[in-house]
This record gives sequence, structure tokens and C-alpha cells, in this order.
Amino acid sequence: KQEVTQIPAALSVPEGENLVLNCSFTDSAIYNLQWFRQDPGKGLTSLLLIQSSQREQTSGRLNASLDKSSGRSTLYIAASQPGDSATYLCAVSPGSGGGADGLTFGKGTHLIIQP
Amino acid sequence: ETGVTQTPRHLVMGMTNKKSLKCEQHLGHNAMYWYKQSAKKPLELMFVYSLEERVENNSVPSRFSPECPNSSHLFLHLHTLQPEDSALYLCASSLRGSLETQYFGPGTRLLVL
Repeated sequence: KQEVTQIPAALSVPEGENLVLNCSFTDSAIYNLQWFRQDPGKGLTSLLLIQSSQREQTSGRLNASLDKSSGRSTLYIAASQPGDSATYLCAVSPGSGGGADGLTFGKGTHLIIQP
Repeated sequence: ETGVTQTPRHLVMGMTNKKSLKCEQHLGHNAMYWYKQSAKKPLELMFVYSLEERVENNSVPSRFSPECPNSSHLFLHLHTLQPEDSALYLCASSLRGSLETQYFGPGTRLLVL
């Protein structure tokens, strides 16, 4: 059974710092890996999606990397801002892909950016 | 606005009540999902519907009953729930066969008394 672990569980940093969130998964047979953001009391917003054949994806100040063989992904946030405060979730899709596949999520990293 | 709406946003019910959660997607997707998010636990997949057929039932108790009458609507019927069923219930949709992500609704916050 696939398990996803996110480290750290919580992180508080001053505004302007660069930071890295970590995600690991036990079964490397994945179709893709996604990073989501969840604001309090709200649903999930997709940030980046990395296909299993890719090594990284970038969107603005966000960069996600994937090392499928070692079961690891990182989300790098550059020049953090108070608006980045949220819970960041990592999720993997099973190896078959192409169909309707439920995602397996980590517990998330609760991030606070201090003004 | 993600194109996936859920109603109600908040629900309080007793253990003997029957209620339903509704999800609607306006994205032309053909796969829909129910997830449960409990405190201090990862998001858990409950049900998957693809082309209006249930393709996955993740060992969910029978007091939760899903229904997908068409590709745009998904319901979760609730009956004789337990207090431990209190959670945020999230609906998502996707395009089967696509490389795109799943799009999530805002969720229904359920409290069972």
C-alpha cells in the first residue's frame, strides 16, 4: 500500500526566506506527483504536477523536483511571502495512470510566513 | 473558482439523521471523487466514479452511500453516522485519460453530534 510522508509537519519562517518542503513515497510505481495548497477551511488548489518521466516543474516562485527511483520530491519556494502561508500537500497517482485514479496524500506541511 | 461546487458548505447532523452532500462540476470532466479529510490524518479517498460507474470503493462503511446520476453531479448520502465521521468531505473531478490534475471543490464541513 502506497504511503506518503511529508516533512516537516510545520514550518515558520520570516518573510523573504527560501524554503524547501519534503515529500517521500514508499512505492516508486507512480504515474505522477502533485503539490497542492490548502487554505484554512477551503478546498485544494493544484500548484504543480510532475509526470513520472519528468524531473522537475516550475511555476513562478515555485519549483518542484521528483526523484522517482528514490521516492522523493521537494517543493522549493523562493522569496517567501505572507500570502504563501497555507498547508502544502503532496499526492501521488498510482502507476497505471490514464484512468480515474484516486490520489494518495501526505498529511501536509503547515507553513507560516512571518511578516 | 475551480469549477467544482459543493453544497452545503457546513452541516450539523445527529446520529439518526439522513442527509446528502452534493457536488457539481462545470468543467466537462468524466471522473469524480469523494475524499474525507479528518483532523491529523491524510486526505483519504472514499469513492471514484468514472463515466458514471463506480470504479473504486475504498472500504468505506455502508452508512456512506454515493450516487452519480450523470457526469456533472455526485452525491454522498449519509445515514446513521457516528461522531468519528465528523470531517471535511471534499469532492474532486478530472478528465479520464488526461494528464491534468484533479480539481477540488471547497468541501463540506460535517459535524456529527
